[in-house]
This record gives sequence, C-alpha cells and structure tokens, in this order.
Amino acid sequence: DQQVKQNSPSLSVQEGRISILNCDYTNSMFDYFLWYKKYPAEGPTFLISISSIKDKNEDGRFTVFLNKSAKHLSLHIVPSQPGDSAVYFCAAKRGSRNQFYFGTGTSLTVIP
Amino acid sequence: NAGVMQNPRHLVRRRGQEARLRCSPMKGHSHVYWYRQLPEEGLKFMVYLQKENIIDESGMPKERFSAEFPKEGPSILRIQQVVRGDSAAYFCASSPGTVNTEAFFGQGTRLTVV
Repeated sequence: DQQVKQNSPSLSVQEGRISILNCDYTNSMFDYFLWYKKYPAEGPTFLISISSIKDKNEDGRFTVFLNKSAKHLSLHIVPSQPGDSAVYFCAAKRGSRNQFYFGTGTSLTVIP
Repeated sequence: NAGVMQNPRHLVRRRGQEARLRCSPMKGHSHVYWYRQLPEEGLKFMVYLQKENIIDESGMPKERFSAEFPKEGPSILRIQQVVRGDSAAYFCASSPGTVNTEAFFGQGTRLTVV
C-alpha cells in the first residue's frame, strides 16, 4: 500500500522557469514531510522539509508547500537550473515513529 | 564528521552465492533503514533497525534476506542464494531518531548478480 504517491514520473522544464513537483499522501497521521534529490549512481540527499504545523517552508530557490486538507505537498524550484536535473523523492513520517515513507520519485529535466 | 558509509560500492555475485552489504551510520545515529531501488523504480523500504533490534521488516522478502544491526559494528544486509532479480541498488540511511529530523543516505551498494 503506497502511502506516499508521486503521480508524475517525469517533468521537463526550461532553464529559468519554475519547476513544480507534486506529492500526495494518504495517512492523515503524517506530520513531517521531506524532499530528497537523487543523482544517478549516488544516494539521495536531503533537500528541504516541512512540519505539519506550517504550510510553507522556503530555502533559497526551493519552497515546499503543504496542504493538509488535501493531503498534498509540492516542491517549487525557481529559477530552475540544469544542475537541478535529478530524481526527486518526497517522504513522510509521523510523530515519534521514525519510519520514513517514500514516494516513487519524479525525474526532473531542466533544459538549457 | 563522516556521513553514512556503505561498502562495497559495487558487488558482483554469481547466482547462488551470498551477498553481504554493510552500512555504518552517521555518528550518534542509532536508527538504520535499508531501501532497494530496482532499475526504473523508486525507493522501496526493506527494513528498519535500531541497535540490536528489528523494528519493522515488512518490506523484506520472507526468504533469503536478513538484516542485523549489532551493538558494535555496522548494520549488515545479507542476501543468501542470490538470484538475477536481486540485482539492484541498495541504500542505507540513518537518523538520530528524534522528532522532525531527516534521514541521511549512504552512496549505496550496486549489486549485480551474474
């Protein structure tokens, strides 16, 4: 049972434009959400996170939005750069349970 | 401050052999997670361990796969009698286990079964 879903396997964006990656979850008990970035042949690296008490968290070019009522979060990258081309995974966990649930990933290609 | 260390980076095994994948978590981290990534697929959870305890192994195949995280030393993912379908990238992650903290991943071990 996939509790965290990324329905778009791939996304292409022109350099300088905004990239929007989406993620849906089913478990209303999740209260902490994360985005990871993964290059080929490397491990995922943590990008940005958000607690359920917030609806937005920003770090430089990266902003994560959380809509709890819709059980939806999104990652905005602006402006997109070719070096952002990677697979992006969203993940969720709840409370004191330290189990991380990952989505299936979205492959972002930023076209120069 | 070393990150999560996995070794070997690449492992080639013949069908029927055993594969042992090692993971040393970040200093101070007592929670370890193993994930598998098959070609063209996402990260699939396998097992979650704390020191000397398996917390959740719901993602582990029932046969041939086992994991441990002893009091001393690295976490080990062991695959007995490997088959071609076990070929994948295996990632280990660790966390301190506190609320609202991220997991840190190693570089992965790419297992190829020939």
